[in-house]
Amino acid sequence: DQQVKQNSPSLSVQEGRISILNCDYTNSMFDYFLWYKKYPAEGPTFLISISSIKDKNEDGRFTVFLNKSAKHLSLHIVPSQPGDSAVYFCAARPLGNEKLTFGTGTRLTIIP
Amino acid sequence: DTAVSQTPKYLVTQMGNDKSIKCEQNLGHDTMYWYKQDSKKFLKIMFSYNNKELIINETVPNRFSPKSPDKAHLNLHINSLELGDSAVYFCASSLRGRDYGYTFGSGTRLTVV
Repeated sequence: DQQVKQNSPSLSVQEGRISILNCDYTNSMFDYFLWYKKYPAEGPTFLISISSIKDKNEDGRFTVFLNKSAKHLSLHIVPSQPGDSAVYFCAARPLGNEKLTFGTGTRLTIIP
Repeated sequence: DTAVSQTPKYLVTQMGNDKSIKCEQNLGHDTMYWYKQDSKKFLKIMFSYNNKELIINETVPNRFSPKSPDKAHLNLHINSLELGDSAVYFCASSLRGRDYGYTFGSGTRLTVV
């Protein structure tokens, strides 16, 4: 059973526009959510996170929104830059548990 | 460089062989993990150690045996390799209780032929 889902395997966005990546989860015990970015032949790198007590967290061009009632989170990147082209993974974990459950990733391509 | 480093980066081996992947972190983290990314790109946890103690052990064939000689190292030994073991294996580390996620190594691509 896939508890974290990223239903869009790929997304193309024009440079300078907003990129919106979506993630849904089914486990109501998840209380901490993270986004990772992955380039080819490299490990995932931590991008931004949000606790379930918040509905928004912002870091520069990256903003994560959490809608707990809908069990949905999204990552907004604005403005999108060519270096943002990568695979983005959503991840989640329950309170007091180190185990991260990952989605299958969305490949973002920024078109110059 | 502070990092999570894993060796080898690529490993090609025949079915039935035994192989090991090594992982080391110099970040001062106390928890280490092995994740497997299969052909469908799922990143699934296999094991986790905190201060040399096994804390997560997912449903993994017992041909896979992790070993943590100290909190900076977590190695993965695989016996009797099978074709289905072909995947990318990622090591990661974190500081327990800190909310900034894991730091991943760059992965080991294992190909069993």
